[in-house]
Amino acid sequence: DQQVKQNSPSLSVQEGRISILNCDYTNSMFDYFLWYKKYPAEGPTFLISISSIKDKNEDGRFTVFLNKSAKHLSLHIVPSQPGDSAVYFCAASGGGSNYKLTFGKGTLLTVNP
Amino acid sequence: GAGVSQTPSNKVTEKGKYVELRCDPISGHTALYWYRQSLGQGPEFLIYFQGTGAADDSGLPNDRFFAVRPEGSVSTLKIQRTERGDSAVYLCASSSRGGPYNEQFFGPGTRLTVL
Repeated sequence: DQQVKQNSPSLSVQEGRISILNCDYTNSMFDYFLWYKKYPAEGPTFLISISSIKDKNEDGRFTVFLNKSAKHLSLHIVPSQPGDSAVYFCAASGGGSNYKLTFGKGTLLTVNP
Repeated sequence: GAGVSQTPSNKVTEKGKYVELRCDPISGHTALYWYRQSLGQGPEFLIYFQGTGAADDSGLPNDRFFAVRPEGSVSTLKIQRTERGDSAVYLCASSSRGGPYNEQFFGPGTRLTVL
């Protein structure tokens, strides 16, 4: 039972345009959400997070939006750069096991020059 | 400073053998996590250490899997009687303290292949 779902295995965008990566979750006890970025042969690296008390968090070119009623979050990257090409994982924690991260399957983003 | 390191980077073994995977966390980090990433999946939680003790081992798939952290620093994940289904990338992460607000820093992983 996938509690965190990333339904798009891949996404391709042009350099300079916006990239939007989506994530849905089913566990209403989740209260903290994170995005990780992963390059081949490396471990995931933290990108940005959001607490359930907020609906938006911004850090430079990266913005995460949270819609609690829809149990949906999205990551916006503007403008996209070729170096952003990587696998992006959505992760969530909360509900008593607030140290354990539950990950989605990931979305492979390709930014074309 | 040095990040999380994991050795070996690759391990090929035969079905039924015993393997040990090592994780060196960031110095001073008290929390340590093991995750397993199978092909096409996201990382899945295995076990969480706070200091020397396993605070949560609910993600270990069965009793063939065991992990230790005897001095509160280096951790070893041990797998007995390996099976082909154990083939995956095993990721270790550490954070300064437990809890979601403390960033988990991941190592590059150990790719385990069971033939």
